[in-house]
Amino acid sequence: DGGITQSPKYLFRKEGQNVTLSCEQNLNHDAMYWYRQDPGQGLRLIYYSQIVNDFQKGDIAEGYSVSREKKESFPLTVTSAQKNPTAFYLCASTPWDNYGYTFGSGTRLTVV
Amino acid sequence: GQQVMQIPQYQHVQEGEDFTTYCNSSTTLSNIQWYKQRPGGHPVFLIQLVKSGEVKKQKRLTFQFGEAKKNSSLHITATQTTDVGTYFCAGPRGEYGNKLVFGAGTILRVKS
Repeated sequence: DGGITQSPKYLFRKEGQNVTLSCEQNLNHDAMYWYRQDPGQGLRLIYYSQIVNDFQKGDIAEGYSVSREKKESFPLTVTSAQKNPTAFYLCASTPWDNYGYTFGSGTRLTVV
Repeated sequence: GQQVMQIPQYQHVQEGEDFTTYCNSSTTLSNIQWYKQRPGGHPVFLIQLVKSGEVKKQKRLTFQFGEAKKNSSLHITATQTTDVGTYFCAGPRGEYGNKLVFGAGTILRVKS
């Protein structure tokens, strides 16, 4: 079945560490997105990519980085510059403009 | 910047009662989308509304898009325990494109 796979499901980060969240899709979608979800808040856009080797910052890109070397993959790195990284991270994709997102199952990141 | 607001933040209903959540955008939207997130899960796309005044139904769920394309509502008739979750509305950033701005969501709890 086609879908988006995020891994790991749970991730613990020590202070000062960089960690990378994986997002892989086999839907042949062109656009991919990373959102952050905090309790009681909506989803906030971190980064997005419309095509391979191109990506743009969203509303809260500081402390994060991404790459899009393959159409299927859009990994997110949470760097030590992100001061409050504890959150639920969601990856999503769409085939074209103005169409509903398909989300992955998410990664819960906790700073220890 | 563009904002999408949802009310109420939280609603607790008796099973069999109706439920409505409202969504208001600070700007005119080309379309509005609705998502459902079960507790511990990820958002799942429900529907997209595009036309001014559009009404769509999915079984017990009725979705409306306002005449001015700045507001929307989701109404659930005779709620069931399976309706539990958070309902988000989302609209594209700017006039076109697929980068969504999400509302904060309405949490629905159903007492059986």
